Amino acid sequence: GNSVTQMEGPVTLSEEAFLTINCTYTATGYPSLFWYVQYPGEGLQLLLKATKADDKGSNKGFEATYRKETTSFHLEKGSVQVSDSAVYFCALSDPGDTGRRALTFGSGTRLQVQP
Amino acid sequence: GAGVSQSPSNKVTEKGKDVELRCDPISGHTALYWYRQSLGQGLEFLIYFQGNSAPDKSGLPSDRFSAERTGGSVSTLTIQRTQQEDSAVYLCASSFGVGETQYFGPGTRLLVL
Repeated sequence: GNSVTQMEGPVTLSEEAFLTINCTYTATGYPSLFWYVQYPGEGLQLLLKATKADDKGSNKGFEATYRKETTSFHLEKGSVQVSDSAVYFCALSDPGDTGRRALTFGSGTRLQVQP
Repeated sequence: GAGVSQSPSNKVTEKGKDVELRCDPISGHTALYWYRQSLGQGLEFLIYFQGNSAPDKSGLPSDRFSAERTGGSVSTLTIQRTQQEDSAVYLCASSFGVGETQYFGPGTRLLVL
């Protein structure tokens, strides 16, 4: 079956530090990959996505590259801000046998950025 | 435009009672998903609707859970005879079509006492 594994949190960084949150996946087909973010007290928001191998998704200074050979989709940002403090979820959408494309999520990684 | 809306935002109920959670998807979105976010299980898929097709109920954890979608728009998730382990945040998402980006509502936080 499908699964997503992401690094345990919390990740605590100082402002302007470099961020990497690792994500690896297992899928039966050719999935699309996503990063969603959940700010405190808010719902899930799409941060970025990639739909095929070697695609790079980017948004708000965050980037992630779809690596089929390593089945990974690591999230990076060159310089984090306090406002980036949130929980980040890696997810995949794989048609599989049913074609429903429901999202399979990782467990989430809490990022805390200190001033 | 308006995003996905859900109601109520919070619900406290007693064990054994029935609850109904509502989701209003983005206008024009044909696919609708329900997920559950709980401390022990993370984010998990519950049920999926696509257009007028029969729903995919494969993620529902027990027969106490059911959902319907009327007129291809609003959806209601019903939990009968609630148990404490049903306490979670119930999230609804919609997408323009199968395989398109899913947009999430703010969720309903359910607490079963």
